[in-house]
Amino acid sequence: GAGVSQSPRYKVAKRGQDVALRCDPISGHVSLFWYQQALGQGPEFLTYFQNEAQLDKSGLPSDRFFAERPEGSVSTLKIQRTQQEDSAVYLCASSLAGGAGVEQYFGPGTRLTVT
Amino acid sequence: DQQVKQNSPSLSVQEGRISILNCDYTNSMFDYFLWYKKYPAEGPTFLISISSIKDKNEDGRFTVFLNKSAKHLSLHIVPSQPGDSAVYFCAASGRNTGFQKLVFGTGTRLLVSP
Repeated sequence: GAGVSQSPRYKVAKRGQDVALRCDPISGHVSLFWYQQALGQGPEFLTYFQNEAQLDKSGLPSDRFFAERPEGSVSTLKIQRTQQEDSAVYLCASSLAGGAGVEQYFGPGTRLTVT
Repeated sequence: DQQVKQNSPSLSVQEGRISILNCDYTNSMFDYFLWYKKYPAEGPTFLISISSIKDKNEDGRFTVFLNKSAKHLSLHIVPSQPGDSAVYFCAASGRNTGFQKLVFGTGTRLLVSP
């Protein structure tokens, strides 16, 4: 079946622009996660949804970052007034349910470059 | 504060030999540990996991060992194949990080040469 898809795969933004990154999780997956992966680092947690409820947004680096999942399926990560330090790969993952040890399936990521 | 550490950025192994990737953690509240493999331009792919109540889990060529007292886990790949060449991430989750949230190490790049 289809895996997690993300679009666009690559995005170049000028500093100060707003961007929106889309994630289509695996159908039926309740949980959805966003991670940020800087060059040479491991993914870092940003936020977590269970259905349409955003249960944890402790990893969002600033109030310029906003995520939503209004119908409990597709999710959008929005970054306002982008800065150079926002340049990274943004990974989306989904899982059947929440809870420890539940496998998360990752999409290919969106590489954001802020110039 | 890096709670999950992979101190070896790279590892080179010959085909057929054993690959051992190591991971250390500092948070004793972690309950689950996972290994992910990542190819360039792709997302991480789940490989194998282990619960803190076990000390070993095996799946085909892959075995994960957990030493809770040393806060150390390792991934063994036997025999190694060229297709195993990728970046391997150790990840952990637990009660005080929110069970759902994975905390990743910085990764180890494995190169298996023919």
